[in-house]
Amino acid sequence: EAGVAQSPRYKIIEKRQSVAFWCNPISGHATLYWYQQILGQGPKLLIQFQNNGVVDDSQLPKDRFSAERLKGVDSTLKIQPAKLEDSAVYLCASSYRSGGYTFGSGTRLTVV
Amino acid sequence: AQTVTQSQPEMSVQEAETVTLSCTYDTSESDYYLFWYKQPPSRQMILVIRQEAYKQQNATENRFSVNFQKAAKSFSLKISDSQLGDAAMYFCAYRSAPRDNAGNMLTFGGGTRLMVKP
Repeated sequence: EAGVAQSPRYKIIEKRQSVAFWCNPISGHATLYWYQQILGQGPKLLIQFQNNGVVDDSQLPKDRFSAERLKGVDSTLKIQPAKLEDSAVYLCASSYRSGGYTFGSGTRLTVV
Repeated sequence: AQTVTQSQPEMSVQEAETVTLSCTYDTSESDYYLFWYKQPPSRQMILVIRQEAYKQQNATENRFSVNFQKAAKSFSLKISDSQLGDAAMYFCAYRSAPRDNAGNMLTFGGGTRLMVKP
């Protein structure tokens, strides 16, 4: 079984620039999650999709973050404009109903 | 809302010895799952062990076992015969039992960095 694919692996941008991350979940996994993990902390949910619909985006800073999951498969998370405090690892995960999660390797974002 | 607390930012253990990582959580739900994840420097979240709240028996996976105290809302991880490869960040996580076909989010603790001394 192929894992959750994420790209890029690393990204360095200047503040106020924009950036996008991509995630391709496990085939057949209807639920997709984006987590933000700030250095030294546990991951925090940003947004959860069920197929191509949003289940929970209560923790997503909607003034600068956006996410979409067209066709219920892969997903893109965008930040525009980036702030210094957005420096973090962005983890994507997918799950099938009540099954276990599979995480991607994450994208490490550094905003300078 | 559920919260997960890991009170040990760092732990150290001698190779081949046993170490216990602590985790407490707060919830008003009766049906849920608890997890321990390992995160090495590669950033990949690796599932170590899972416990269903309705099960009284503590989960075990080879050298890893948990002490699940539902009334006390405590969920500790014991690593026996520690190996150098066990060194990593360990996260305790909570997940509500699903009520429909949708998956549920994980709520993570702040993590414990485990160091293994040769």
